[in-house]
Amino acid sequence: EDKVVQSPLSLVVHEGDTVTLNCSYEVTNFRSLLWYKQEKKAPTFLFMLTSSGIEKKSGRLSSILDKKELFSILNITATQTGDSAVYLCAVRSGGGADGLTFGKGTHLIIQP
Amino acid sequence: DAGITQSPRHKVTETGTPVTLRCHQTENHRYMYWYRQDPGHGLRLIHYSYGVKDTDKGEVSDGYSVSRSKTEDFLLTLESATSSQTSVYFCAIGTYDTGELFFGEGSRLTVL
Repeated sequence: EDKVVQSPLSLVVHEGDTVTLNCSYEVTNFRSLLWYKQEKKAPTFLFMLTSSGIEKKSGRLSSILDKKELFSILNITATQTGDSAVYLCAVRSGGGADGLTFGKGTHLIIQP
Repeated sequence: DAGITQSPRHKVTETGTPVTLRCHQTENHRYMYWYRQDPGHGLRLIHYSYGVKDTDKGEVSDGYSVSRSKTEDFLLTLESATSSQTSVYFCAIGTYDTGELFFGEGSRLTVL
């Protein structure tokens, strides 16, 4: 059974801090790892990672994948209150249409 | 906006009654998914579809059935709702190549 574990489950920091969110996985036939941000409603896509060591960046957010050690990190620099959300890590394994396996998420709260 | 609408968005029902949730997409995606999201569990796959009349079970399919008679519509049915099915239900559509999912806004179901 595929397994995705995120840590920490919750995190409270002050505006301007840098945070690192962790995601480890155990899956058969890994294909890709995805990060989503969820604010109250539907999860929205952030990054998809398929290759080790290649950093994906979008503004203050960045992510990298280590396929040897089976983990990924999501970094957020110079955090803002608008970054407060649940960050979800998901892994796609195997072939075909069988969806994504999600971790439980990291609830990030940015205090002013 | 990925062109997914869910209905109803909120529903309160009683134990033992049938409930149907509808997911409608305008993107002509082949793959559609139903997830449920609960505190402490994250997003879990209920059922998915890889084409008209082609569906399969996910991780938590007991007590649920699905149907897909048209590309654009994917229905989730609770034949006899139970309190353990109180949850937020998300529909998602996806692409085979990337595995990225686009989520609907969610349907909050309360079973009393």
